[in-house]
Amino acid sequence: AQTVTQSQPEMSVQEAETVTLSCTYDTSESDYYLFWYKQPPSRQMILVIRQEAYKQQNATENRFSVNFQKAAKSFSLKISDSQLGDAAMYFCAYRSFTGANSKLTFGKGITLSVRP
Amino acid sequence: DGGITQSPKYLFRKEGQNVTLSCEQNLNHDAMYWYRQDPGQGLRLIYYSQIVNDFQKGDIAEGYSVSREKKESFPLTVTSAQKNPTAFYLCASSIFPGQGANYGYTFGSGTRLTVV
Repeated sequence: AQTVTQSQPEMSVQEAETVTLSCTYDTSESDYYLFWYKQPPSRQMILVIRQEAYKQQNATENRFSVNFQKAAKSFSLKISDSQLGDAAMYFCAYRSFTGANSKLTFGKGITLSVRP
Repeated sequence: DGGITQSPKYLFRKEGQNVTLSCEQNLNHDAMYWYRQDPGQGLRLIYYSQIVNDFQKGDIAEGYSVSREKKESFPLTVTSAQKNPTAFYLCASSIFPGQGANYGYTFGSGTRLTVV
């Protein structure tokens, strides 16, 4: 079974600075998807960014980018120019490529606070 | 606009009662999921369904039941056998990988269940 590990329960960043959230995963599969979800105080889950394992290029969405290291099974999220609205819980998630039994496995999340 | 609707937003249950959480989607997604969220635990899978009239247990199915009579609906019943039901419950839906580019989950806004 796949597992996703987020070892840092909390992080803090100064507004306008850059922060990196860590995530590692364990799998024996070669094709899969990785995601970062944001959960603000409203508790609505919002997709931040996604990465297909077969793509070597790291995904980027505006101020959000990932560092995907397939061999190391590492998938970190970098938030540049941090804003107060980035304060939230962030979850890393894994999804198998095979559709028959494909469901998201989540890490335990990390709470990010942004200092003004 | 298509989306996924959970109701009610807040629910209170007395000891020994069964309660049902509603989840409806109009995204034409085949797969639907129920997750439970507790502080420090991340999101844990309760049940999931990939097709009408079929569903599978997730990691923490004990004390819960589901049905999938329609593609659009996936209600979750929290039975009296669930000894610690106070939690935040999230419903999600998705297509299968390979069916399109948007293979992440779409989440509902959640239901907060409290035992009184």
